[in-house]
Amino acid sequence: QVQLQESGPGLVKPSETLSLTCNVSGGSISTFHWTWIRQPPGKGLEWIGYIYYSGSTNYNPSLKSRVTISVDTSKNQFSLNLNSVTAADTAVYYCARLDNSGWNYFEYWGQGTLVTVSS
Amino acid sequence: DIQMTQSPSSLSASVGDRVTITCRASQYISTYLNWYQQKPGKAPKFLIYAASTLQSGVPSRFSGSGSGTDFTLTISSLEPEDYATYFCQQSYSAPYTFGQGTKLEIK
Repeated sequence: QVQLQESGPGLVKPSETLSLTCNVSGGSISTFHWTWIRQPPGKGLEWIGYIYYSGSTNYNPSLKSRVTISVDTSKNQFSLNLNSVTAADTAVYYCARLDNSGWNYFEYWGQGTLVTVSS
Repeated sequence: DIQMTQSPSSLSASVGDRVTITCRASQYISTYLNWYQQKPGKAPKFLIYAASTLQSGVPSRFSGSGSGTDFTLTISSLEPEDYATYFCQQSYSAPYTFGQGTKLEIK
């Protein structure tokens, strides 16, 4: 059973960079797309972007100028960097695996980690 | 971006009731429509893909239908564990977008 676990600081100062890592266990990171999704408190879900194990990426245009997703296949993990954060970036951040059947659903999810942007 | 609109935003129902949630896309998405269930403090759980195909292990009381722009999620007979928030998600084109959610509450 594939398991994902997010890690990183729970508090980030405004204008700084939010950095999170997702560790994948129970399966190889290879041959799948890996994604980040966020959910502001009490609100809906926003897709941030995904990375293929080979390194190719696709970002949400609303965040594209501030987002970088990278992958480390040797460690079976992938990461999110979001720069120039504001209070609007406060959210629970989830990592997830995109299915590889072509239907593009988020099949496995991490438990999520709350990141608060505040000075 | 493709906008996804769910209705209703919230719904009260009793155990045993039949419940239907609607999801509408702002443009054609064929059957690239997925459904998730989220309970408080938990990550969403994937339920249905391709509008009507149940993920393995999802109870058969859940069903999905629709194509094009209009979709429904139906729970044929509510169980206590079904009280949650449900989200639809289009996977026709990136950026992938979600509906705002439908909160299903106990009546």
